[in-house]
Amino acid sequence: DARVTQTPRHKVTEMGQEVTMRCQPILGHNTVFWYRQTMMQGLELLAYFRNRAPLDDSGMPKDRFSAEMPDATLATLKIQPSEPRDSAVYFCASGPKGGLRTETSTDTQYFGPGTRLTVL
Amino acid sequence: GQNIDQPTEMTATEGAIVQINCTYQTSGFNGLFWYQQHAGEAPTFLSYNVLDGLEEKGRFSSFLSRSKGYSYLLLKELQMKDSASYLCAGVDSNYQLIWGAGTKLIIKP
Repeated sequence: DARVTQTPRHKVTEMGQEVTMRCQPILGHNTVFWYRQTMMQGLELLAYFRNRAPLDDSGMPKDRFSAEMPDATLATLKIQPSEPRDSAVYFCASGPKGGLRTETSTDTQYFGPGTRLTVL
Repeated sequence: GQNIDQPTEMTATEGAIVQINCTYQTSGFNGLFWYQQHAGEAPTFLSYNVLDGLEEKGRFSSFLSRSKGYSYLLLKELQMKDSASYLCAGVDSNYQLIWGAGTKLIIKP
């Protein structure tokens, strides 16, 4: 049963520390999304990749956040330096088609279990 | 601007039927998703509608009216395990998902 995996599942760190979250998309999926979810804001799209290329990271605070896909099996989200307001659950999701801009395909997104980040 | 509106919270009784509404305003429209999210877990896909009408999938059905910018998720024969948040997400002209804040559904015995 193919699933998106994320590590770590929980992370507690102190303000100013670097945080790296990892995601392994479902094998064969071409699109990868990073989301942040808080009680106040709901789901916020941070970054989006298709075929490993970053297509949209407008939702991400550029001064401290960075997202990469070093290869097709790994996506990373880094926060440096972390701040208490970054405390949230960070979800990675992947999609099977990779053809979001075609008429016939709209990706269903399959979410990983999330990383619960607490910045003290 | 783009916006998805859905009620914050709803309460229903086990065995009953509940309808969760969602209205959307997106720049262009390429369909609408419903996801279910149990507390502390990831969202999971329920349905996708791009054409007008009702699509039934077991106890869950999803309806779309493109002319009204409106969708609903209908849950029948409610079970306690249906207690969760239900997220509505519209797909805009760039095929980006615009997410609603979610409707927390509380099922009472």
